[in-house]
Amino acid sequence: EDQVTQSPEALRLQEGESSSLNCSYTVSGLRGLFWYRQDPGKGPEFLFTLYSAGEEKEKERLKATLTKKESFLHITAPKPEDSATYLCAVQRDQGAQKLVFGQGTRLTINP
Amino acid sequence: NAGVTQTPKFQVLKTGQSMTLQCAQDMNHNSMYWYRQDPGMGLRLIYYSASEGTTDKGEVPNGYNVSRLNKREFSLRLESAAPSQTSVYFCASSARSGRWGEQFFGPGTRLTVL
Repeated sequence: EDQVTQSPEALRLQEGESSSLNCSYTVSGLRGLFWYRQDPGKGPEFLFTLYSAGEEKEKERLKATLTKKESFLHITAPKPEDSATYLCAVQRDQGAQKLVFGQGTRLTINP
Repeated sequence: NAGVTQTPKFQVLKTGQSMTLQCAQDMNHNSMYWYRQDPGMGLRLIYYSASEGTTDKGEVPNGYNVSRLNKREFSLRLESAAPSQTSVYFCASSARSGRWGEQFFGPGTRLTVL
């Protein structure tokens, strides 16, 4: 069974304090790994797609990386507006159009 | 462009009542999805429609039905609501295969079943 586990569940940082969020996955034949951001009371917003181990994607203060077993979302010098829940999802190679989501990491950046 | 819209935003039902959640997208996307989000459980796929005229079950389809009315609209129906269906429901859409993992979500419907 496909599984996605995100850690930590919650993370508090000071503004400017860099850190990483982890997404570990178990899936038979990874087709893609996706990162989303979700603000309170809103729907998730797509951030990145990663397809193969070694791939990296960047957007502003965020950088996502992928290995064969996990993905990291690195946050460099975060600002309070980066506070959100970050969701990771995987698509398996076989089967229909289904994403399996992790439970998310709730990130709070204090000014 | 409005993106993905959902109605209603909030709803309270009594056990056994029925209702339909509406979803529409104006991005000309082929695929549409219904998810539920519960604390500590993440997003779980209820049903999806890969293209107009097709629907398929997701991870948690029991107690729900869907209709892909046309390319723009995808509705979710609860025939006999149960307290276990209290949740936040999200509709999403995505473009054709190759990019369908990049999904655009609506604002959600917060449903409480008493």
